[in-house]
Order: sequence, then C-alpha cells, then structure tokens
Amino acid sequence: DTAVSQTPKYLVTQMGNDKSIKCEQNLGHDTMYWYKQDSKKFLKIMFSYNNKELIINETVPNRFSPKSPDKAHLNLHINSLELGDSAVYFCASSQVAGQGASGANVLTFGAGSRLTVL
Amino acid sequence: DAKTTQPPSMDCAEGRAANLPCNHSTISGNEYVYWYRQIHSQGPQYIIHGLKNNETNEMASLIITEDRKSSTLILPHATLRDTAVYYCIVRVAWNQGGKLIFGQGTELSVKP
Repeated sequence: DTAVSQTPKYLVTQMGNDKSIKCEQNLGHDTMYWYKQDSKKFLKIMFSYNNKELIINETVPNRFSPKSPDKAHLNLHINSLELGDSAVYFCASSQVAGQGASGANVLTFGAGSRLTVL
Repeated sequence: DAKTTQPPSMDCAEGRAANLPCNHSTISGNEYVYWYRQIHSQGPQYIIHGLKNNETNEMASLIITEDRKSSTLILPHATLRDTAVYYCIVRVAWNQGGKLIFGQGTELSVKP
C-alpha cells in the first residue's frame, strides 16, 4: 500500500476551469501538507492541517482551498485556474505538527500531481 | 525564506563517498537540521536529521559542527541511484508552525 497517495498524477486543463487534487495517507499521521514545486524546482509550502484544523496558510491566492474531511485526507481545490498554477503539487504527512520529538516531524511525501494549465 | 545555503551542484564518482555541505549560520538552539533528497520526478524522501550530535542511519551520516553553524551529509558509497537533488533544511520553531522550508538544494550527480 502506498503511504501517501495523490490523484490524479497528471492533470491537463484549460485556464478558468476548476479542478481538485486528492490526497490520502494511511500512516495514521495527524498532520498533512500541500507543497507546490514550480518550473524552477522550488518546493514551497502552501497549507498544513493538523487533525482537520488549518495550522499553516502561506500567502496563497484564495482560489486555492484545501479541505480536510478527516485526518487521513487533505484535498486541494483550485478555482479559476491560471497559467501560473502549472506546477507539481506534492502532498505530505507527518506524525505531529511541530512540538515534540524531532522525529515526529519527518515528512512522508506523495509522488506528486503534475498540473498543466493551457 | 530558507535558512540554509548549499552549493548548487556537485559530482561524485560511483563507489566513493559523497560529502554534501550545508551552512546554517542563523540556526537557533532548539532547531533541528533535516536532510531530504528528490530523485527526478519523484516526491522528496527523508534521509536523516539531527540537533547537535552526529547521526548515522542506513542511508547516510550527518556531521554537525560544534557551533552548529554548518553540517555535512555523507553518503559513504555513492551509487548511480543516489543522483538527486539534496535539500538541507532547518525546521522552523514549532510555535511558528514547525514547517520545513526547502531551499535550492544541491544537485548531486554520481558518475560511473
């Protein structure tokens, strides 16, 4: 079983459309994240949820809306897609958000979802 | 902003040790150093982390200087499959979210 799984792996869509990327983890972790990797390969954190509660919200356009129905799932919905949204989006999970033993903040990443906006 | 500085690229001969340096001169006393790597087109993979003592696991060794301002990741016998981008990360304090901020990383090329 894949520890952190994302769907779809590839997504090609037109500007202005709305799309979602789903993420599920079977590790029993409390915290989940979305990272964006652009064409220059920078990995930038977007959101983090701890047990369904939003704890990190970087400066991300409000067209991006994360939703966590339970602590094993963190979905990313994007409205009115723009060309600049083209990137690889990585979901990750960790045992706890920050405080506590350092080992608890080891992130396990999914394989990524490549979004191409035309 | 990333709190670490790494060389953009390095080469290593297959079978030799790969020593990847990282500077983190502004690290705070309770901040950990993490290393991840990203093999082409895959998600980042955790390698090792440490606070002030040297650490070793099945993948690598982490040497942290006494003043904690720099560290070195050592892959003792590099293989072609170790070709990847290696990220040295100082984790933001837990009361600021504990997030990992990735920098540019070092692109390691292991050559036959």
